[in-house]
Amino acid sequence: AQSVTQLDSHVSVSEGTPVLLRCNYSSSYSPSLFWYVQHPNKGLQLLLKYTSAATLVKGINGFEAEFKKSETSFHLTKPSAHMSDAAEYFCGLMFSGGYNKLIFGAGTRLAVHP
Amino acid sequence: DARVTQTPRHKVTEMGQEVTMRCQPILGHNTVFWYRQTMMQGLELLAYFRNRAPLDDSGMPKDRFSAEMPDATLATLKIQPSEPRDSAVYFCASDPGQSSYNEQFFGPGTRLTVL
Repeated sequence: AQSVTQLDSHVSVSEGTPVLLRCNYSSSYSPSLFWYVQHPNKGLQLLLKYTSAATLVKGINGFEAEFKKSETSFHLTKPSAHMSDAAEYFCGLMFSGGYNKLIFGAGTRLAVHP
Repeated sequence: DARVTQTPRHKVTEMGQEVTMRCQPILGHNTVFWYRQTMMQGLELLAYFRNRAPLDDSGMPKDRFSAEMPDATLATLKIQPSEPRDSAVYFCASDPGQSSYNEQFFGPGTRLTVL
């Protein structure tokens, strides 16, 4: 069975400090993993994706994520948070043979304080 | 600027009424997804289509929900009759479907309130 677990429902950081949003997955297949961001009253926007190439993936707005097969993790990081990063973040899993079906985690709401 | 469009953006209706939500995928994209987002359940995949044919609608309550693609530029999600528990934001997404692991492009959503 395929599943995604986002370990924190809420994360709060101060502006200028590092961001860590945690995602673990379970998959019987070699997965592709995604991070999407959702700003209030908006649709989801892709931040980055892993598709079995380099394990360290760089995305937009300074975000990056590292695929660790041994830990079944795909945590999202950013060295320095900006106020505009406040949003909800979703980790997603896609697997071959799944017709590009995305399975999402429950989401992590990131708050950034001045 | 290619994007997925959804109409209406907001819909308030009374229980028992029919609701139709529309989605225009990005031109050339042949795979379309419908998601529902609620506080309690998060993002749920309801159904998806490739080349207008339904691939999987197992996430959709069959008794009241139906999804179709009358043509390549229009996908519809219909609820009849609607119930208060259907209140949610409904997202449509599309991808090019040309290879595996494509990015899905999301529309802005339809916020449905059933009174």
